[in-house]
Amino acid sequence: DAGVTQSPTHLIKTRGQQVTLRCSPKSGHDTVSWYQQALGQGPQFIFQYYEEEERQRGNFPDRFSGHQFPNYSSELNVNALLLGDSALYLCASSLTGTGGPYEQYFGPGTRLTVT
Amino acid sequence: QKEVEQNSGPLSVPEGAIASLNCTYSDRGSQSFFWYRQYSGKSPELIMSIYSNGDKEDGRFTAQLNKASQYVSLLIRDSQPSDSATYLCAVNAFTTSGTYKYIFGTGTRLKVLA
Repeated sequence: DAGVTQSPTHLIKTRGQQVTLRCSPKSGHDTVSWYQQALGQGPQFIFQYYEEEERQRGNFPDRFSGHQFPNYSSELNVNALLLGDSALYLCASSLTGTGGPYEQYFGPGTRLTVT
Repeated sequence: QKEVEQNSGPLSVPEGAIASLNCTYSDRGSQSFFWYRQYSGKSPELIMSIYSNGDKEDGRFTAQLNKASQYVSLLIRDSQPSDSATYLCAVNAFTTSGTYKYIFGTGTRLKVLA
């Protein structure tokens, strides 16, 4: 049973650049959520995708955008990178359906460093 | 008031003791509650989920939920040095748009002393 996968594992970018992070959900899951985790903090919710639509969004600027594909995989895009965007970016998948909400499982994360 | 609150710790317990981790939440509409373990530099790993009042046991772990008091806890029996990690409490609730959201606490750092 394939778990949640993310790529790349690590990334170093310069201020002002753009970055795209990728995520494949756990087999059988249809919902993908993205989180940003700074050192010593809990995961902060960025947004959630279900049925290829952004269903919810946390308190993040429009520089953060995403997409979900028909196979449920997802991308997170961040434009005009700031030093403060340096963090661990986590993708989590879950199943949305009647009787939910269901358990959410995390991928290994992408460590983004902005210099 | 934060939506999900945890004591940041560190909580230090000797090997073999019971570690007790606590979490309070503000949204009375919350329906599902989760505990994640996160080792330094790694992603969170789901260890327990609980949906109804009372206790739920899984091996050395016991989750306790009291919706009236808006309180959820995690007990780790026979604590081992390998249990040393940050434990994140997460709460899930439906939103008015029909979707659901997970809210995480900042985590409690547990140190099990050999």
